[in-house]
Amino acid sequence: GDSVTQMEGPVTLSEEAFLTINCTYTATGYPSLFWYVQYPGEGLQLLLKATKADDKGSNKGFEATYRKETTSFHLEKGSVQVSDSAVYFCALSRAGGTSYGKLTFGQGTILTVHP
Amino acid sequence: DGGITQSPKYLFRKEGQNVTLSCEQNLNHDAMYWYRQDPGQGLRLIYYSQIVNDFQKGDIAEGYSVSREKKESFPLTVTSAQKNPTAFYLCASKRTGYIHQETQYFGPGTRLLVL
Repeated sequence: GDSVTQMEGPVTLSEEAFLTINCTYTATGYPSLFWYVQYPGEGLQLLLKATKADDKGSNKGFEATYRKETTSFHLEKGSVQVSDSAVYFCALSRAGGTSYGKLTFGQGTILTVHP
Repeated sequence: DGGITQSPKYLFRKEGQNVTLSCEQNLNHDAMYWYRQDPGQGLRLIYYSQIVNDFQKGDIAEGYSVSREKKESFPLTVTSAQKNPTAFYLCASKRTGYIHQETQYFGPGTRLLVL
């Protein structure tokens, strides 16, 4: 079945440091890939997405490129801020079978940014 | 403003009691989803609905039930058969279920605790 694997956390960085959170996936066909962010006690917000190979999603300084050859969708940001502290989820969705557009999530990566 | 509302924010369940979590959306979306979030495990799909009066079991449906009598509403009942109900429950919706590229939008969540 489909699966998403994120790098082990938590991740702790100083403000203005470079961020990478690794995400790899297993799925048949051509899934769409998503990064969601969750702030404490809240629901999930879409951060960015990519729907086909080599697409780059970007938002609020975050970027991720859909790499089909390595089945990866790593999240990056050049300079993190304290306000980026949150839990980040990588997820996929694909067509066909009984998927019905459901999201398959990674386990989440906790990011803490210190001033 | 369009969005998804969930109530209550916190819910306490006594032994042997059924409780119902509310989810309402005014986005005019056809598809709605219920996920359960446990620490360190990401989100897992409980039930989903593609259209009014139709719903399907997700990956962890045992001990839960749903209804979809109106397009905007998708309540989840946690029954006494669910032996480990303590979790954060998230409702989501998207315009159509079968287009996997579309974004799924999430509500703020309900935290269920067992007394």
